[in-house]
Amino acid sequence: DTGVSQNPRHKITKRGQNVTFRCDPISEHNRLYWYRQTLGQGPEFLTYFQNEAQLEKSRLLSDRFSAERPKGSFSTLEIQRTEQGDSAMYLCASSTNRGLGYGYTFGSGTRLTVV
Amino acid sequence: TQLLEQSPQFLSIQEGENLTVYCNSSSVFSSLQWYRQEPGEGPVLLVTVVTGGEVKKLKRLTFQFGDARKDSSLHITAAQPGDTGLYLCAGPFGNEKLTFGTGTRLTIIP
Repeated sequence: DTGVSQNPRHKITKRGQNVTFRCDPISEHNRLYWYRQTLGQGPEFLTYFQNEAQLEKSRLLSDRFSAERPKGSFSTLEIQRTEQGDSAMYLCASSTNRGLGYGYTFGSGTRLTVV
Repeated sequence: TQLLEQSPQFLSIQEGENLTVYCNSSSVFSSLQWYRQEPGEGPVLLVTVVTGGEVKKLKRLTFQFGDARKDSSLHITAAQPGDTGLYLCAGPFGNEKLTFGTGTRLTIIP
């Protein structure tokens, strides 16, 4: 068990460019979550998957954001036409189906800087 | 609307001192969790409290869940520099996801 892996760790992009992040969850975890965290704040929910189905999206997730989890394994989060306000840490977490009481396992995050 | 408010937002104390941080909500939660996050890393789960009034200890850390299950506290005894980090409380929102608090950034000065 290698934990939750996120790539890249850091991404600097010019405003207007598209970026894609990848998350590899713990293999036996069927739930996968994406959160966004700005400096000094707690993580904010973006979206989550149970297996390959995307079950909920936050209103924070504008039309420029899309997430996929093909075959219920890894997930990707794409941001199109990036804006400076998209600069943040993007965190992926996974959990089992046993219940939220067992908590999340987070990856180390992808820090996005839009210049 | 922030469902979980944490206080203080920042706390800086000397090594060896004791401290308490708080997590408050107007909503009732079936459980609350505490995470610690170090710079450049994701949060790491410390504990889950489930029963109103429950107290859990993790070495020098003591976690308490309020009787009404609307609040929680984290007390650290004899703080050490390794305790430095962002402490986050989190609770289930519906049955599907966790909502996180605003965080307390703790700095322990050697």
